[in-house]
Amino acid sequence: DIQMTQSPSTLSASVGDRVTITCRASQDISRWLAWYQQKPGQAPKLLIYKASSLQSGVPSRFSGSGSGTEFTLIISSLQPDDFATYYCQLYKSYSWTFGQGTKVEIK
Amino acid sequence: QLQLHESGPGVVKPSETLSLTCTVSGGSISNSFYYWGWIRQTPGKGLEWIANIHYSGSTYYNSSLKSRVTISVDTSKNQFALKVRSVTAADTSVYYCARLDGDYGVCDHWGQGTLVTVSS
Repeated sequence: DIQMTQSPSTLSASVGDRVTITCRASQDISRWLAWYQQKPGQAPKLLIYKASSLQSGVPSRFSGSGSGTEFTLIISSLQPDDFATYYCQLYKSYSWTFGQGTKVEIK
Repeated sequence: QLQLHESGPGVVKPSETLSLTCTVSGGSISNSFYYWGWIRQTPGKGLEWIANIHYSGSTYYNSSLKSRVTISVDTSKNQFALKVRSVTAADTSVYYCARLDGDYGVCDHWGQGTLVTVSS
């Protein structure tokens, strides 16, 4: 099975900060990676698919990049609504795996 | 607007079978473009993919759970279901059903989730 390593596990930041979250896959997954945002008591929400494509309705301050084994989610200017937990998710050969999550906290 | 809704018992006894149903409204489960799946989340922990199914009956399972899990689909009711056999406390989780995009392998619609506690 392909393993995903997401870092950091927790991140403290202020409104307006640029935030970077990383996921590394244990083998090449091309660009088959997505990013989700989850708030307490809610289901995850799709932000980014195919590594860098923005899901409809998601603010443009969210962006994704990467291919192969290393991927990045960037929030260009953190907003109050962005304090949440973020997960990466890979898809390869009909197998889906989530990263461990990154909690973005108020500094 | 597509909606998914999980239903099933909130408490299951150890060694018994956990059974959940996901009812899809606002769209057809028989749309060949999509897959339908189950994901769980242990309280305070991360997300774990369990299984997916296509309306045609093709199924895909997490290798770590495959021996205890069955996913099925009922197109006449626009529902799909999950069974987890021989449950233990480790199966206590919030269980989500979701729709998966067939092109990109992502969950683009989710149910609200249902907490299942394994306890005697």
